[in-house]
Amino acid sequence: QKEVEQNSGPLSVPEGAIASLNCTYSDRGSQSFFWYRQYSGKSPELIMSIYSNGDKEDGRFTAQLNKASQYVSLLIRDSQPSDSATYLCAVRTGTASKLTFGTGTRLQVTL
Amino acid sequence: DTEVTQTPKHLVMGMTNKKSLKCEQHMGHRAMYWYKQKAKKPPELMFVYSYEKLSINESVPSRFSPECPNSSLLNLHLHALQPEDSALYLCASSQVPDRGDGYTFGSGTRLTVV
Repeated sequence: QKEVEQNSGPLSVPEGAIASLNCTYSDRGSQSFFWYRQYSGKSPELIMSIYSNGDKEDGRFTAQLNKASQYVSLLIRDSQPSDSATYLCAVRTGTASKLTFGTGTRLQVTL
Repeated sequence: DTEVTQTPKHLVMGMTNKKSLKCEQHMGHRAMYWYKQKAKKPPELMFVYSYEKLSINESVPSRFSPECPNSSLLNLHLHALQPEDSALYLCASSQVPDRGDGYTFGSGTRLTVV
């Protein structure tokens, strides 16, 4: 079982719709959860971090964490073509400063 | 300053060459990282430095040699690489302990081994 799993996609949503990206992780001791956006040929850019169960909102983005079910999700409201990218879920476990990345979900926002 | 600066942006090297990748940050972060990313794959951790000491080596071949001269600089020395080592090499930094900011990544060095 992979440590962090994501559907590779592509996930295609029309402009203005809500995009829902999901991630599951295997280690119950995981403490910190992050969503990164990566455009082709560019480096990852942090979008959201979440530590506690529940929802965390920042502009058009909402991260949701459910530690009991070991999943974290990212909702993007009013999706724009500029949101088209690969979204990487990353999980930090234990005291070591080590992030483990999922394989990423490619999002395509269509006009 | 909220950036991680990597140089060079592109590097082509032969299998017998010796080269170095450089990374610099001035955010006061005390953890720095090297990641390797192949096309359409997620970043893979190579090394972690915490307070200038190597804390994690993910069984990386000895042809990759990291160095952390001070709290702002991180180098990756390359020697006798193979074509399969061609990839995007990403440097990142973070606070210790993590305060919710995650990692800040540099723009990467695109390495091609010929």
